[in-house]
Amino acid sequence: EAQVTQNPRYLITVTGKKLTVTCSQNMNHEYMSWYRQDPGLGLRQIYYSMNVEVTDKGDVPEGYKVSRKEKRNFPLILESPSPNQTSLYFCASSAWDRGTDTQYFGPGTRLTVL
Amino acid sequence: GQNIDQPTEMTATEGAIVQINCTYQTSGFNGLFWYQQHAGEAPTFLSYNVLDGLEEKGRFSSFLSRSKGYSYLLLKELQMKDSASYLCAVRDRTGGFKTIFGTGTRLFVKA
Repeated sequence: EAQVTQNPRYLITVTGKKLTVTCSQNMNHEYMSWYRQDPGLGLRQIYYSMNVEVTDKGDVPEGYKVSRKEKRNFPLILESPSPNQTSLYFCASSAWDRGTDTQYFGPGTRLTVL
Repeated sequence: GQNIDQPTEMTATEGAIVQINCTYQTSGFNGLFWYQQHAGEAPTFLSYNVLDGLEEKGRFSSFLSRSKGYSYLLLKELQMKDSASYLCAVRDRTGGFKTIFGTGTRLFVKA
């Protein structure tokens, strides 16, 4: 089954404790993204990757890091989380195929930073 | 800069037709997406338009006019399960390949 998986689905942590949210896709997609979703602000792109070892900043990259060592995985790293990073996070992947571009989203990770 | 506008909320009646509009401003347009998102769930892909015109997929259709920076999502034969948020998003190739989302339109379908 084609899917994007994220782990963990829920996480409560404290300020300053480094954490990683994993993301994996099994569709051989080249383009992967991380978004955060906050009430009234919609989805905002944090980072994206066009391919292995190619990453670029989205609109809200401050406080986040990513890596793309393999095509299927795109982890999101918070080196020193702060309460303003409390949010719902989505990973997504997409590929151009037969004239259309379909982006698939993972189930989301709800992060609370105390 | 980049900007996407869509109405915050809409209400429609079961069985009716509803049109959700989206206007955008971007210097490097490279496609427009529509997604459906039910509360507490991930967005699911509905449509992608990169050329002007109407794309039809069952009860859902999406229209794009690049010269006007305008798109709409048309939902026909509304069902209660269509109550959800509808997200408009644009791919922008200016300085990269970002995806920018609007804040979404919450649609309420009433009996």
